[in-house]
Amino acid sequence: AQKITQTQPGMFVQEKEAVTLDCTYDTSDQSYGLFWYKQPSSGEMIFLIYQGSYDEQNATEGRYSLNFQKARKSANLVISASQLGDSAMYFCAMREELISSGSARQLTFGSGTQLTVLP
Amino acid sequence: DVKVTQSSRYLVKRTGEKVFLECVQDMDHENMFWYRQDPGLGLRLIYFSYDVKMKEKGDIPEGYSVSREKKERFSLILESASTNQTSMYLCASSFDRDNQPQHFGDGTRLSIL
Repeated sequence: AQKITQTQPGMFVQEKEAVTLDCTYDTSDQSYGLFWYKQPSSGEMIFLIYQGSYDEQNATEGRYSLNFQKARKSANLVISASQLGDSAMYFCAMREELISSGSARQLTFGSGTQLTVLP
Repeated sequence: DVKVTQSSRYLVKRTGEKVFLECVQDMDHENMFWYRQDPGLGLRLIYFSYDVKMKEKGDIPEGYSVSREKKERFSLILESASTNQTSMYLCASSFDRDNQPQHFGDGTRLSIL
């Protein structure tokens, strides 16, 4: 079974500063993928970034980067130069990879972190 | 751009009604999913489908059914709506490949009175 833990229910950051959102996971799978999603107050879930367990480099997408530490089972999201529009709920999720088709690749989600960017 | 469209943004129904939530994706994704999201409980998987006419139960299938007659459309059915099914419902779809994310619709806020 997989488990995702996000220990920060809420975080505050000053505009233009960097912020790290924590995510730890537990799995017995050898190959897995880690995802981060953003959910603004309007409700839609927006995919931000992906990290495969066998990727040697940390993933980056614009202002988002993933600090992946496999031995510690952590996959923290780093947002650089925070903007007011970054205020949202952020979810970490994972699933098993390298599996046969037909299993639909279910995601396991954490409980989320509410980020507020202060002007 | 991937587009996942849910038929209603807000919906109000009465106890005992049969409720249909529709979801359509335009990217030829094999996999489709229905979640509900409640405060303090996060996202919970109701049902998913990996092919036309194929469906699998998620974590909380009780009180729900699904239909996937065409690849692009995945319907969630509340057979007899109850007040404890008041929630935010999210549909998602994805390719059946590694490193491919699920893409979500805007969600339907369903209230059962």
